[in-house]
Amino acid sequence: AQSVTQLGSHVSVSEGALVLLRCNYSSSVPPYLFWYVQYPNQGLQLLLKYTTGATLVKGINGFEAEFKKSETSFHLTKPSAHMSDAAEYFCAVSDGPAGGSYIPTFGRGTSLIVHP
Amino acid sequence: DGGITQSPKYLFRKEGQNVTLSCEQNLNHDAMYWYRQDPGQGLRLIYYSQIVNDFQKGDIAEGYSVSREKKESFPLTVTSAQKNPTAFYLCASSIELAGGYGDTQYFGPGTRLTVL
Repeated sequence: AQSVTQLGSHVSVSEGALVLLRCNYSSSVPPYLFWYVQYPNQGLQLLLKYTTGATLVKGINGFEAEFKKSETSFHLTKPSAHMSDAAEYFCAVSDGPAGGSYIPTFGRGTSLIVHP
Repeated sequence: DGGITQSPKYLFRKEGQNVTLSCEQNLNHDAMYWYRQDPGQGLRLIYYSQIVNDFQKGDIAEGYSVSREKKESFPLTVTSAQKNPTAFYLCASSIELAGGYGDTQYFGPGTRLTVL
């Protein structure tokens, strides 16, 4: 069974600073990995995902994430934070068909706070 | 525009009442999901459906029921057996089961249920 841990329930950055949101997973097989963003009182929207191929994945709004198998990590980064990036971010993992899991498991979320 | 709609946006329930949350999608997706979101707990899976007339329990199905009579619709009933139903409820859909194929889940805007 897969699981995901997001380190830090809140991350605070200044506008223009680097954004780093951490996600570590456990999976018995090569995982599928997702990052979603949620703005207040809204549903979730996909930022990016890794299934196979290139381990550095680029997403929307300037975000990217790198799959590191040796570290079982899929951290989300953005070089320069913008006020509009303030939101809740969720990492999700799935074992895929090889692991018999067909539903992603979500982390508890990290709230990104951006200061002017 | 294709997407997922949830209604109502806000719902108030008296103790002992059953209430039904609506979820409709026009994306022609086979898979649909219901999640419950509580502060600091991420998303927890209530039920999911891979195809019409079939659905499976998720991690926290007790006190909830669903139906899938049409491909487009996946209503969730919160019964009086659910002891703590106050939460934000999210419906999602994907082409196929997201974890098995790496498909993106598309989320509705959510329904906030409050028990009075």
